[in-house]
Order: sequence, then C-alpha cells, then structure tokens
Amino acid sequence: AQKVTQAQTEISVVEKEDVTLDCVYETRDTTYYLFWYKQPPSGELVFLIRRNSFDEQNEISGRYSWNFQKSTSSFNFTITASQVVDSAVYFCALTPRGGAGSYQLTFGKGTKLSVIP
Amino acid sequence: EAGVVQSPRYKIIEKKQPVAFWCNPISGHNTLYWYRQNLGQGPELLIRYENEEAVDDSQLPKDRFSAERLKGVDSTLKIQPAELGDSAVYLCASSLDTGVETQYFGPGTRLLVL
Repeated sequence: AQKVTQAQTEISVVEKEDVTLDCVYETRDTTYYLFWYKQPPSGELVFLIRRNSFDEQNEISGRYSWNFQKSTSSFNFTITASQVVDSAVYFCALTPRGGAGSYQLTFGKGTKLSVIP
Repeated sequence: EAGVVQSPRYKIIEKKQPVAFWCNPISGHNTLYWYRQNLGQGPELLIRYENEEAVDDSQLPKDRFSAERLKGVDSTLKIQPAELGDSAVYLCASSLDTGVETQYFGPGTRLLVL
C-alpha cells in the first residue's frame, strides 16, 4: 500500500519570501512516480511535475524547484520569491510504475499556501 | 487544446434526490477517472475507464453510485439517492492511456446535500 504525508496543513508567507512544501511517501514498490498538483480556489487540479523514482536529479522550472531524495523518501517542492498567485492547495501524489495499481494516484492531504501581499 | 470539461460546477440537492455529473475528457485521452474529494482531503479514486470499459470500480459505492462512458468519450456519474455524506467535490480526470500517464483534471463539481 502507498501512503503520502504532507505534514504542513497550512503555511502563510509574505510575498517574495521563499517557501518549501514537504512531502514524505511510503511505498513497497521499487519503481514509482511522484507528482505535484496545484489546486487554486477555482478547484481544478493543475499538474506541475512528474518524477520517476529512477531519476533523483533535482528539477527547476522558473520559480519552482523540486528536491527528490530517495534515501529519505521525500519529494519537496520549493517556490522562490512567492507571489500572491501562488496561493493554493498543493498536493503531492504517488503511483506505482507498472502492475495492477499503476494507474491509481495516492494523494496526500494537501498543504494550503497563503501568500500575503 | 481544451482541458477536461465538467458540468455542473455546483449542485445543491436535498437528501434522497438523484444527481448526475457529466465529464468530457481531453480529446484523444482513452482513460477516464472519477475521483471524490472530501473537504480537507486529497482526491480518492471512485472508478476508472479504459475506453468504454470500467476496468476498476472497486471503490465505487455500488448501492447508490453508477457511472457510464458511452462510446468511450463522455462520462456520467450518478448518485441515487444522495445522502448527506455524499457532499464533496467530484473530479474527473483523463490520461492518454493507463499506467503512468499523467492525469489531467477538470474543475470538478461541488455537491452539497442538504
């Protein structure tokens, strides 16, 4: 069984501050994918990134960066110079690669980020 | 390219009434998913379709929930009769294929049962 833990329920930062959202996962599968989704107040889940368990290289996309550490089962997400538009609930998710459960995303409970102007 | 479309966006009904949600996936996406998201939680899968076949409905409460995906495109999720505990956001997602394809979500239908 898979489990994703996002220990931070809510975070508030002042605009332009950096913020890191934590994600810790549990899985018995040796190969798996990790995801981050953003859910703004409109409700739609917006795909941000997918990471293969074989690829531990960190990734940067504009103000967003992701730190994947297999040794600690963590896949943390950092927003640099936060903006008001970053205010949303962010979900980390996991799916095994291959096998019967490979389609099923297991989500964490989400972290609500509020960026104060 | 248009994203996943869902309607209605909001629905308020009295308990014991029926309700239906509609989803149109991204063009060319063969796999369609229905999720339920309770307040303060992440989404949980209800049913998955590959084309018009429901390949996993193990988490769908079959006594009151039903779904269909005629012609392997649009899908409808129905609840009859609705209960207070069904209040949630119902999300539809689609992906090119099954497996590790990225799932793209629609805006959801927010259901309130009174």
